[in-house]
Amino acid sequence: DGGITQSPKYLFRKEGQNVTLSCEQNLNHDAMYWYRQDPGQGLRLIYYSQIVNDFQKGDIAEGYSVSREKKESFPLTVTSAQKNPTAFYLCASTPSGGPVYEQYFGPGTRLTVT
Amino acid sequence: AQSVAQPEDQVNVAEGNPLTVKCTYSVSGNPYLFWYVQYPNRGLQFLLKYITGDNLVKGSYGFEAEFNKSQTSFHLKKPSALVSDSALYFCAVRDGRDTGRRALTFGSGTRLQVQP
Repeated sequence: DGGITQSPKYLFRKEGQNVTLSCEQNLNHDAMYWYRQDPGQGLRLIYYSQIVNDFQKGDIAEGYSVSREKKESFPLTVTSAQKNPTAFYLCASTPSGGPVYEQYFGPGTRLTVT
Repeated sequence: AQSVAQPEDQVNVAEGNPLTVKCTYSVSGNPYLFWYVQYPNRGLQFLLKYITGDNLVKGSYGFEAEFNKSQTSFHLKKPSALVSDSALYFCAVRDGRDTGRRALTFGSGTRLQVQP
């Protein structure tokens, strides 16, 4: 199957701990994105990467970090500096260049920090 | 800056009736517009997009949307609603002049409830 996988589906952490969310795609897409979804607020962009070994901050990057060492993988670390980390996190990817493609989304990870 | 407004938090419609989910947008350049659907605790599924050309766009599962440049709207429609259409719907926009991050800006979502 081709697509985007995110693991785990549910994640529970204590306040003050860093946690890493996994995102893997086998679609051969260049660009990858992390969004955060909160009730009634839609999706907000955390980080994005257009190419391996390069990534940029989105609109709400504070308290988060990412890496892009491989084309297929774009893990997101939620650090203890993120003041309100409990949310639903969605990873997306899209081809670069050429026609305007839609973004393809993974199934999401629901993070709960107590 | 680009933005999307979905003015209705929830839309209720009876099965078999037509449905409309509203979306208006604001961008500096030409808009690229998208509709996605989300079922509980799932990722977003792509329904349709408008890039250029015909203002009426047809998509998955019988959905369509009409691009109206003068009203800066991109309303989602379906002639006959199904109970299985009940879900959360998101409208999204990308500025056609954005060749950098090419990320989408999403509306806050509209919950569609189709009653049997």
